[in-house]
Amino acid sequence: NAGVTQTPKFQVLKTGQSMTLQCAQDMNHEYMSWYRQDPGMGLRLIHYSVGAGITDQGEVPNGYNVSRSTTEDFPLRLLSAAPSQTSVYFCASSYGGTGVSYEQYFGPGTRLTVT
Amino acid sequence: GENVEQHPSTLSVQEGDSAVIKCTYSDSASNYFPWYKQELGKGPQLIIDIRSNVGEKKDQRIAVTLNKTAKHFSLHITETQPEDSAVYFCAATTHNDYKLSFGAGTTVTVRA
Repeated sequence: NAGVTQTPKFQVLKTGQSMTLQCAQDMNHEYMSWYRQDPGMGLRLIHYSVGAGITDQGEVPNGYNVSRSTTEDFPLRLLSAAPSQTSVYFCASSYGGTGVSYEQYFGPGTRLTVT
Repeated sequence: GENVEQHPSTLSVQEGDSAVIKCTYSDSASNYFPWYKQELGKGPQLIIDIRSNVGEKKDQRIAVTLNKTAKHFSLHITETQPEDSAVYFCAATTHNDYKLSFGAGTTVTVRA
């Protein structure tokens, strides 16, 4: 299994540009999520999905959109990039299950710089 | 929402010594506490976790303790080795496994 894959690995955007960060998993996990990692702030949840067709907001959703049309893919869209969105973005997946906690598997990350 | 605080932010230890990282959480309903290790340029990886019905869990050189009354939990690494150098994150979840709240991270450096 490839696990959780993310593309691209690095990206530089200009303010106002839009782009999509790709995330895919081949473990048939129901739950997928996006986090951003900033120095001194740990990982903060942006959006998550508990299954195909279902998404919800996390702690810091503003400026980002997601969709989940298949179990495998969970893309993150930046609508109009801002310098405050400069960060490292991680996608994660797990088996999920209400009331039961499963290990979250993280992808290798996408380092995004907005100038 | 849940607030997780982690200390210290950096930790330097001599190879062979022990390392301890402490976290506190705010929501008494939290019931799952994982610890992640992040090596340079990689995504976080689960190293150990503990649930609220257990006070301590050990896996070789790594152990985690939980004090529900005081709302804090700790990671203990014994006989540290150079490969233990990494950033460690604690986390907690209140409702289910979907919304993990992370601490700010501890950068551990093991000196040879």
